[in-house]
Amino acid sequence: LAKTTQPISMDSYEGQEVNITCSHNNIATNDYITWYQQFPSQGPRFIIQGYKTKVTNEVASLFIPADRKSRTLSLPRVSLSDTAVYYCLVGDIGPFYNQGGKLIFGQGTELSVKP
Amino acid sequence: EAGVTQFPSHSVIEKGQTVTLRCDPISGHDNLYWYRRVMGKEIKFLLHFVKESKQDESGMPNNRFLAERTGGTYSTLKVQPAELEDSGVYFCASSTGSRSSYNEQFFGPGTRLTVL
Repeated sequence: LAKTTQPISMDSYEGQEVNITCSHNNIATNDYITWYQQFPSQGPRFIIQGYKTKVTNEVASLFIPADRKSRTLSLPRVSLSDTAVYYCLVGDIGPFYNQGGKLIFGQGTELSVKP
Repeated sequence: EAGVTQFPSHSVIEKGQTVTLRCDPISGHDNLYWYRRVMGKEIKFLLHFVKESKQDESGMPNNRFLAERTGGTYSTLKVQPAELEDSGVYFCASSTGSRSSYNEQFFGPGTRLTVL
């Protein structure tokens, strides 16, 4: 497991689409990409996970190119309540994890959504 | 369904004292994790239980920290004696342990520990 690189902060306005990209040069075959969200005074919360191509759920979309060295979290039409820190995690933490599943957090991206 | 709960939410103690943090995972979750964030730093893994057994305690900072999980249910993390650098937020998380779709970890709200 290793840390990823992502922007420290981002600003956006309500209704806009926000894309947060993180990179990781040494992704292994068994590694999955997972995003967590953390609001102030709360624990992190799972948003989305993927291995390759595109994954979409009711909260976000995750785009992973073929080489899997970068990945983009896309939040459609953000609202003020999406203001939070977003963590990109890469590691053997997918559904068939073999390493215990511990999460290694980087600094995260602090997203600020303004009216 | 109740989420992961942690007690207390805040604790203020003096250097040298003992503090015990408690975590109640989601019922039926075999995996229980402890993490912490000290001021200005990133969230760091402390240890991982599978049921009542310690699977990985590589993140425990020193022998002043003792974690237990009696009967594979709730867990306690004791700090004895507490030092100033132990101040921070301690998070507990749990997951099912089955080969589920996402191996999602559910986090509690954290315990904010302040050592004076």
